[in-house]
Amino acid sequence: GAGVSQSPSNKVTEKGKDVELRCDPISGHTALYWYRQSLGQGLEFLIYFQGNSAPDKSGLPSDRFSAERTGGSVSTLTIQRTQQEDSAVYLCASSRGGLAGDNVRHEQFFGPGTRLTVL
Amino acid sequence: AQKVTQAQTEISVVEKEDVTLDCVYETRDTTYYLFWYKQPPSGELVFLIRRNSFDEQNEISGRYSWNFQKSTSSFNFTITASQVVDSAVYFCALSNYGQNFVFGPGTRLSVLP
Repeated sequence: GAGVSQSPSNKVTEKGKDVELRCDPISGHTALYWYRQSLGQGLEFLIYFQGNSAPDKSGLPSDRFSAERTGGSVSTLTIQRTQQEDSAVYLCASSRGGLAGDNVRHEQFFGPGTRLTVL
Repeated sequence: AQKVTQAQTEISVVEKEDVTLDCVYETRDTTYYLFWYKQPPSGELVFLIRRNSFDEQNEISGRYSWNFQKSTSSFNFTITASQVVDSAVYFCALSNYGQNFVFGPGTRLSVLP
């Protein structure tokens, strides 16, 4: 079946503009994660959605970042008023079960990422 | 605060050698999860394993094995009979139910033919 897909694959934007990044998880996966990877900060967790529970936003670096997951499926990560330090690869992953699920259901599948460049 | 240390920045081995990647973590939580991920040169992250803090059994999956020792706060990863395709950056991570999800800096493994 199809894996996790992300769009766009590349996004170049000007400082101050808003951007939306999209993640389509594997069908039936209840958990969805956003991470980012940058040269300066390494790998960072951003946000975690599990079913209908309130998302864990503990990793969002500022209030310019927000994410939604509509209908328990597609997720959109929005960055408002982008800054140059937002430049990174944004990664999405999904799993059948959440963090507290058994090991098999927890296996995370990653998308190819969106490379964001803020000029 | 939670922290993950991967002291080995880069490791080079010759094919068929065994190699162990170290991961040491810090947390005050009694319930937590430990992870390993692989990032090959193509860039796409690959999930390898999750271990919860109540399960100290070692795990073996083919040529991969993991040694979790709470007494030393370590979750080391061993590749037996390494292959060129194992060349990648490997990340260890720590989380408590998604909050305070922290990655280590990664270890770059090069397996030479």
